[in-house]
Amino acid sequence: DAGITQSPRHKVTETGTPVTLRCHQTENHRYMYWYRQDPGHGLRLIHYSYGVKDTDKGEVSDGYSVSRSKTEDFLLTLESATSSQTSVYFCAINGDSYSGNTIYFGEGSWLTVV
Amino acid sequence: RKEVEQDPGPFNVPEGATVAFNCTYSNSASQSFFWYRQDCRKEPKLLMSVYSSGNEDGRFTAQLNRASQYISLLIRDSKLSDSATYLCVVNQGGKLIFGQGTELSVKP
Repeated sequence: DAGITQSPRHKVTETGTPVTLRCHQTENHRYMYWYRQDPGHGLRLIHYSYGVKDTDKGEVSDGYSVSRSKTEDFLLTLESATSSQTSVYFCAINGDSYSGNTIYFGEGSWLTVV
Repeated sequence: RKEVEQDPGPFNVPEGATVAFNCTYSNSASQSFFWYRQDCRKEPKLLMSVYSSGNEDGRFTAQLNRASQYISLLIRDSKLSDSATYLCVVNQGGKLIFGQGTELSVKP
C-alpha cells in the first residue's frame, strides 16, 4: 500500500471552531490534493499543491485554506467551521502530471460540524 | 457547467448484463483520463487509464474520443462484485478533476 495517511480519521467539532486536517505521505510525490465528497456530488477539489509552498484553488475552496511547508505534509484548515462543511474529506497524492499510475488516496476523514 | 460530467445513475442491472458509462469533459487541454471505482465509504481506487486507441482489461473496455471530449467505460458480463460507484477523472496537468460518479448495482 502507498504511504499516505490522513488524520484525524473522525472528528466532531462545533460551529465556529477551527479545524485542521493533515495529509502525510512517504512517497515523495510532487502533487497533493484535498477533496470533499458529499452525496450526489462525487469528489470536489478543494485545493491542490504542485510543490512545497505551491498551491492552487479548486472548485470549492471558499472557507478552506491549505499549507504545504514540506513535501510530505499537506494541511487543510477550516478557519471557522460551518455545518455545510460536514463531509468526508479525502487526500490524494500523485507522482506526475500525466499518468494515473502514481495516484493514491488516503482513507478519508469524516468531519461533523454541529 | 461542471468540468467533468457523467451519466446520472443509479444503474440497476442483472448479473451478466453489459453496461456502459459515459463521461464528458469541457477542457480540451485535458491530458489524461481515468476510470476509478469507489465502494461505499471507501477511498476511490484506479480501475483503468483511458487511451485514445481504446484499451481493454478483462471485462472492462475504456474509450476516449478527444474530438467529442468524452470517455466511456463498458463492463461486459456484470458480476455482483461490480456493484460500486464509477468515477471518471480528468488530469489537467496535475490537477485531477472528478465527475460526480455513477452508481452501479448488479442484482442476482
